[in-house]
Amino acid sequence: DQQVKQNSPSLSVQEGRISILNCDYTNSMFDYFLWYKKYPAEGPTFLISISSIKDKNEDGRFTVFLNKSAKHLSLHIVPSQPGDSAVYFCAAKYTGGGNKLTFGTGTQLKVEL
Amino acid sequence: GAGVSQSPSNKVTEKGKDVELRCDPISGHTALYWYRQSLGQGLEFLIYFQGNSAPDKSGLPSDRFSAERTGGSVSTLTIQRTQQEDSAVYLCASSTQGGTEAFFGQGTRLTVV
Repeated sequence: DQQVKQNSPSLSVQEGRISILNCDYTNSMFDYFLWYKKYPAEGPTFLISISSIKDKNEDGRFTVFLNKSAKHLSLHIVPSQPGDSAVYFCAAKYTGGGNKLTFGTGTQLKVEL
Repeated sequence: GAGVSQSPSNKVTEKGKDVELRCDPISGHTALYWYRQSLGQGLEFLIYFQGNSAPDKSGLPSDRFSAERTGGSVSTLTIQRTQQEDSAVYLCASSTQGGTEAFFGQGTRLTVV
């Protein structure tokens, strides 16, 4: 039962363009969402998060949008840079679930010159 | 260093042997998690420790897997009678009690031959 889904295993974008990574979830109890970035042979690193009371959170080139009615969130990176090439994981948790994060399967982003 | 430290970074073991993986969380972090990532898969939750509370073991795949956290700090994940399907990267993370993000170590790559 995959409660957090990232249906695109890979995405290729040109440098300078916008990257949009998508994530869907099924558990309506989730109330906090995070994006992690992972380079090969390294652990995931936190990128940006959003609470369910908001529909947008922005941090520099990174913006996360949340559509609760659709149980969908997306990560926008603009402009995309070659150093953004990595695997991006969407994660979710809910109050009462401890801090346990449920992760998606990841999307491999490749930013090409 | 100030981050989550895992050892060993790589472990090759023969099928049927027991292995122990170690995690040193960030000092002062009361929550500790173990996840694993199999080839081509997302991050699979294994176990979660929070302070002195009973651990959430709901993600452990079989009774061959166990974990301890001594003194509220270092944690050891033990896999008994390893099988080839146990081959994966085992990731440890820690967070503060009310923390909204988890900080990951670099992982231990386990290969069962």
